[in-house]
Amino acid sequence: GAGVSQTPSNKVTEKGKYVELRCDPISGHTALYWYRQSLGQGPEFLIYFQGTGAADDSGLPNDRFFAVRPEGSVSTLKIQRTERGDSAVYLCASSQNKADTQYFGPGTRLTVL
Amino acid sequence: QKEVEQNSGPLSVPEGAIASLNCTYSDRGSQSFFWYRQYSGKSPELIMFIYSNGDKEDGRFTAQLNKASQYVSLLIRDSQPSDSATYLCAVNPSGNTGKLIFGQGTTLQVKP
Repeated sequence: GAGVSQTPSNKVTEKGKYVELRCDPISGHTALYWYRQSLGQGPEFLIYFQGTGAADDSGLPNDRFFAVRPEGSVSTLKIQRTERGDSAVYLCASSQNKADTQYFGPGTRLTVL
Repeated sequence: QKEVEQNSGPLSVPEGAIASLNCTYSDRGSQSFFWYRQYSGKSPELIMFIYSNGDKEDGRFTAQLNKASQYVSLLIRDSQPSDSATYLCAVNPSGNTGKLIFGQGTTLQVKP
């Protein structure tokens, strides 16, 4: 079946702009995760949804970052007033239930100029 | 101390040899452990998971877990050039959360 999809694959924006990154999980997966990966590092946890609710948002770096999953399927990660330090690959993953194997999407490469 | 530690490498082995990748973690209550492979420019893909102490084998791959030592490893037998990638160790920490804590990854180079 279809895997996790993410759009756009690449996003270039200017400092101070607002961006939205979309994730479409594997059908039927109730858990959805956002991670951020910088060059040479492992993925860093941002937020985890169980259904429509954010069960753990402890990884969001500050209040410029926000994510939603209004219908328990597609999720959008929103970044306000982007900074150059936000440049990274943003990975989305989904799993059937919490703590089950997580399957990753191809990522969105965000570049803030 | 980082929560999950891996030697960044690169680890270089000849084709056909056994590659041994190691990972330590700090949260003693961690319950599940994962190895992901990541090719350059691609997203992580699951190789193996392990929950219980001991060894778990899947084809050329063996995961080993020692909770007392807070240590998990991945052995790759008969290494192939196509195994050249970064291997990420990930831990599901205690606290009833689904998140994974990743190490920085070990780069493996298999030379023909």
